[in-house]
Amino acid sequence: AQKVTQAQTEISVVEKEDVTLDCVYETRDTTYYLFWYKQPPSGELVFLIRRNSFDEQNEISGRYSWNFQKSTSSFNFTITASQVVDSAVYFCALSEARTGNQFYFGTGTSLTVIP
Amino acid sequence: NAGVTQTPKFQVLKTGQSMTLQCAQDMNHEYMSWYRQDPGMGLRLIHYSVGAGITDQGEVPNGYNVSRSTTEDFPLRLLSAAPSQTSVYFCASSYGPGHGELFFGEGSRLTVL
Repeated sequence: AQKVTQAQTEISVVEKEDVTLDCVYETRDTTYYLFWYKQPPSGELVFLIRRNSFDEQNEISGRYSWNFQKSTSSFNFTITASQVVDSAVYFCALSEARTGNQFYFGTGTSLTVIP
Repeated sequence: NAGVTQTPKFQVLKTGQSMTLQCAQDMNHEYMSWYRQDPGMGLRLIHYSVGAGITDQGEVPNGYNVSRSTTEDFPLRLLSAAPSQTSVYFCASSYGPGHGELFFGEGSRLTVL
């Protein structure tokens, strides 16, 4: 079973629109960690955020914000006022304390921001 | 700051050839891992290591070998390359299992003909 599901394969938005990338995870652990990574067209993987299961506070970093809801097992990522430089593939990932040696990645969401 | 260094960045192999993808990190991370990235499939774990002398299999280990003789290095070996191993490979390291984010290398694009 897929531990991390990113149902949106591709999203296109016009510049300055807001966009939310969905991430749903599955775990039986009470202690776990969630991550978002960005992969721009150049191919490298860039770490964006890490969240542990005991911290449900939403986080905002500039135009980026993350909404963590344990009740729905979701860790969604919103980009406000999108820019062309936001065009990338975004990956959500899960690491469980019990099996912390493995990181489980979703299949990614490809975001295209149209100027 | 070197971080995680992978070589080579590009490689073309013929079916049946062997090769080693090199990975080195200078952050003194105990945890290192190899992923492959294929279109529509995200990143899949091949092998990982929690310290020198310790390795274990991930989700897709078949056709790959690893070893960890030092903290810094974690090479990935393809013993007999197959077209199904055409992929982009990423090495990653972390401060500790499940507790820190992964630091990735720049990736190695491998084509098996």
